[in-house]
Amino acid sequence: AQSVTQLDSHVSVSEGTPVLLRCNYSSSYSPSLFWYVQHPNKGLQLLLKYTSAATLVKGINGFEAEFKKSETSFHLTKPSAHMSDAAEYFCVVSDPYNQGGKLIFGQGTELSVKP
Amino acid sequence: DTAVSQTPKYLVTQMGNDKSIKCEQNLGHDTMYWYKQDSKKFLKIMFSYNNKELIINETVPNRFSPKSPDKAHLNLHINSLELGDSAVYFCASSRPSYNEQFFGPGTRLTVL
Repeated sequence: AQSVTQLDSHVSVSEGTPVLLRCNYSSSYSPSLFWYVQHPNKGLQLLLKYTSAATLVKGINGFEAEFKKSETSFHLTKPSAHMSDAAEYFCVVSDPYNQGGKLIFGQGTELSVKP
Repeated sequence: DTAVSQTPKYLVTQMGNDKSIKCEQNLGHDTMYWYKQDSKKFLKIMFSYNNKELIINETVPNRFSPKSPDKAHLNLHINSLELGDSAVYFCASSRPSYNEQFFGPGTRLTVL
């Protein structure tokens, strides 16, 4: 069975400092992995995705994530936080062979950015 | 030119009522989904349809009945609403065998 664990429920950084949101996954297959962002009272927006191509994935708004199979991790990083990055972030795993396309969500990490 | 749209955005109703949430996508996708986000922001899939055919039904009470009149629409009908049904419901769509899903803005359901 697939699962996702986001290691921090809340992360607080100062504007201009690096962001690290941690995610570990469990999957019997080569998974597809995603990071989605949800701003307050908004829908979910895809930040980036890993689908067995390059292990370092670049996304929108300066975010990137590295797939590390040996560590079963897919941590999200950004070199310099911006106030507009404050939001809820979800690490998501999916089985590419699952016809239903079911996404398994992590519990979410709330990112706060201090001025 | 909204990709995935949902109506209504907010829905406040009494226990025991029946209500529907509509979802439409103009992306030409074949697969559509309903997710429920609880008060702790945890998201879980409820249903998945591919070309109007039910693919996933994740042990959701049978008070919840999805209906797909065509592949661009997936509506969610809820009978006999209960307090625990209060949540944000998200619709999403994707191409088959391509897991990137595009989400609608959500419908916040409050049952009083």
